[in-house]
Amino acid sequence: EAGVVQSPRYKIIEKKQPVAFWCNPISGHNTLYWYRQNLGQGPELLIRYENEEAVDDSQLPKDRFSAERLKGVDSTLKIQPAELGDSAVYLCASGDRRGLIYEQYFGPGTRLTVT
Amino acid sequence: KQEVTQIPAALSVPEGENLVLNCSFTDSAIYNLQWFRQDPGKGLTSLLLIQSSQREQTSGRLNASLDKSSGRSTLYIAASQPGDSATYLCAAQRSNDYKLSFGAGTTVTVRA
Repeated sequence: EAGVVQSPRYKIIEKKQPVAFWCNPISGHNTLYWYRQNLGQGPELLIRYENEEAVDDSQLPKDRFSAERLKGVDSTLKIQPAELGDSAVYLCASGDRRGLIYEQYFGPGTRLTVT
Repeated sequence: KQEVTQIPAALSVPEGENLVLNCSFTDSAIYNLQWFRQDPGKGLTSLLLIQSSQREQTSGRLNASLDKSSGRSTLYIAASQPGDSATYLCAAQRSNDYKLSFGAGTTVTVRA
């Protein structure tokens, strides 16, 4: 079974430029998460989707970040314009609910460097 | 807000030694506690999940314990191997919620 796929794996851009990350979740998973992981820290949730609906985007900096999940499968996270502080690893996870346990399977992440 | 702390931040041991990784959390109203492994340049892989009603979980050389009352979880790795070198993160799931609060992780190096 294929895992969560993310692309690109690495991205280097200059500040003020736009950037987009793509995620393909595990087949059949209705829930999709985007996390940001700063160096030396644990992941922090940016947004969670249930099918195509963003059910929790409270931690997404909406002035510059946007996300979409058309047709409830693939998702794209965009930053425009990027700032130096956006340098981080952006992780996508997908999962399902098993009782009260929300299983999450993580992709390899996209490492963003803003110069 | 749930705060999750992992100490130490880094650990280096010779091969064969047992590893003890600590995780503490401030809010005991958790539904479960998970331990993840993260290899450089890769995502997180779930190792063990302990539900709040459980005291421990075991998988091969890994054993994780949970003490909700003291806000602590410990991951034990027996007879460490160089392949165990990675960053280990713990995450607490809030009761009746999906959100995971992660610690910053402990980076383990097992020397051959």
